[in-house]
Amino acid sequence: EDQVTQSPEALRLQEGESSSLNCSYTVSGLRGLFWYRQDPGKGPEFLFTLYSAGEEKEKERLKATLTKKESFLHITAPKPEDSATYLCAVHASGGSNYKLTFGKGTLLTVNP
Amino acid sequence: NAGVMQNPRHLVRRRGQEARLRCSPMKGHSHVYWYRQLPEEGLKFMVYLQKENIIDESGMPKERFSAEFPKEGPSILRIQQVVRGDSAAYFCASSPGPDYEQYFGPGTRLTVT
Repeated sequence: EDQVTQSPEALRLQEGESSSLNCSYTVSGLRGLFWYRQDPGKGPEFLFTLYSAGEEKEKERLKATLTKKESFLHITAPKPEDSATYLCAVHASGGSNYKLTFGKGTLLTVNP
Repeated sequence: NAGVMQNPRHLVRRRGQEARLRCSPMKGHSHVYWYRQLPEEGLKFMVYLQKENIIDESGMPKERFSAEFPKEGPSILRIQQVVRGDSAAYFCASSPGPDYEQYFGPGTRLTVT
């Protein structure tokens, strides 16, 4: 069974204090790994897709990286508006390769 | 370019009633997915549909739950005879194909009293 584990469950940072969120996954074969941001009371907002080990994607203060077993979401000099829950999901190959399997998320709070 | 639309945003039902949740995918997307998010849990896949076809319903409870995506109109997730355990946020997502990223709607928050 596909599994996604995110750590830490919650992270509190001061504005400007860089850090990383971790997403460990176990799948039979990886078609893609996705990062989403979810604000309270809203739907997940797509951030990145990563397809192969070594791949990196960047958007503003966020950079996502991928290895064969995990992905990191690096946040550089975060601002209070980066506060949200960050979700990681995998899209497995073979069989039911339509669904995304999500982790429980990391709740990020950035204090001014 | 309108995103994924869901309605209603909030729905309150008494035990035993029916709940109907609607989802209109993004323009140009013909693939729709439904997920459920329970408090303190991650998003769980329920069903994947293309126009007029259910492709994968492996995550949907066998009883009381059904989904459709007709040729015309929105996708519908139907829950019959709701129970308190059905209270959750239900999200719809759409994509232009099965290997593309999925874009999510704002969700419908179902409360069963």
